[in-house]
This record gives sequence, C-alpha cells and structure tokens, in this order.
Amino acid sequence: AQSVAQPEDQVNVAEGNPLTVKCTYSVSGNPYLFWYVQYPNRGLQFLLKYITGDNLVKGSYGFEAEFNKSQTSFHLKKPSALVSDSALYFCAVSQSPYGGATNKLIFGTGTLLAVQP
Amino acid sequence: NAGVTQTPKFRILKIGQSMTLQCAQDMNHNYMYWYRQDPGMGLKLIYYSVGAGITDKGEVPNGYNVSRSTTEDFPLRLELAAPSQTSVYFCASSRGTGIYGYTFGSGTRLTVV
Repeated sequence: AQSVAQPEDQVNVAEGNPLTVKCTYSVSGNPYLFWYVQYPNRGLQFLLKYITGDNLVKGSYGFEAEFNKSQTSFHLKKPSALVSDSALYFCAVSQSPYGGATNKLIFGTGTLLAVQP
Repeated sequence: NAGVTQTPKFRILKIGQSMTLQCAQDMNHNYMYWYRQDPGMGLKLIYYSVGAGITDKGEVPNGYNVSRSTTEDFPLRLELAAPSQTSVYFCASSRGTGIYGYTFGSGTRLTVV
C-alpha cells in the first residue's frame, strides 16, 4: 500500500535562512507527489506537484521540491524563509498498482514550520 | 468562483445528536472527498465520490454516511454523534484522477460533548 512519511513534527528556522521540510514515500509504481500548506483555521492550499519530467519542481510563494527516486523522497525547500511561511505543511502521494494515478491522495501527518524573526 | 464551500464553520453537538455537514463546489468536478483532521494524525479519508450517484468508503467511514445526488453537493451525515468524532472536517474536490490535485474547503470544526 502507498504511504507518506513526514519525519519531523516541527521545523524551526530563522527568517532569511534556507528551509527544508522532509517527505518520503512508499509506492509500488510511479508516484505522483504533492505539497499542500495549511494556515491556521484555513483549508489546505496547493503548493506544487511532481507528475513527471524535471526532478526539481517550482511552486507557489517561492517554494520548490526535489523528487529523488532512488531515495524515495520529495523534500520541500525554500532558499530564504519568511515569517509568513509559518504554517502546517502536508506531503501527499497518489499512485495506482497499474502505474497511473488513482483518484485518491494519501497524506502525511504534517510538519509545522515555525520561522522566527 | 467560490471553489469548495463548507457549512457550518463551527458546531457543538451533544452525544447522540445528528447533523449534516454541507459541501458544495462550483467547478463541475466529478470527484469529491471528505477528510477528518486530528492533531498529529494528518488527514484521514472518510468517504469519497467519483460522480453523482456513486460513493465509496475511505479509511475511517464508521459513524458517517454520505450521498451524492448532484455533481455540486456532497453532504456528510453523522447519525449518532460520539466524542471520537470531535475533529476538523474538510471537503475537497478534484477534476479527475489524483494527478490534478485537490481543491479544499475551509473546514468545519466539530466538537461533540
């Protein structure tokens, strides 16, 4: 069965420093990977996704993520963190046994990013 | 374009009461989903639908029911509320398979006392 792991419950970073939020996945075929962000008392918002092609994916608000097939990872990164980036970040995966995409996303448990001024 | 609209935003229920969480989308998406979010547990899929008249169970369907009579609406019904159903509930919709990602509503915070 497919699964997603976010090993860090919380990541703390100083404003202006680079940030990384980690995500690893387990699927039996080709993964389709997503990052979502959730601000307090709000729904999840789409940040970026990897379907195929270039391993480095760029998304909203200056975020990017690198797909690494050998390490089964899809870490979220940003070169310079802002206080306004503080939020809960979710990694998600979609995959089918037949190599395509199912209609369901499996979400990780979330990582709280805290950016200190 | 409103996207996915959930009502109510907050609700307190007594044990044994019933309620319906409403979800509506105006993007003509065929796929709709209900998730619950508990602290440290991420999102758990309750029910989903791939089109009007078609619904299926997710990971945690017990205690819930759904219906999908139209493309736009996907209500979630709690028949006999229990404290274990205290959670934040999110509805989402999708254009198709998972490669399109989801659009989420703003959530309903439910407390059962």
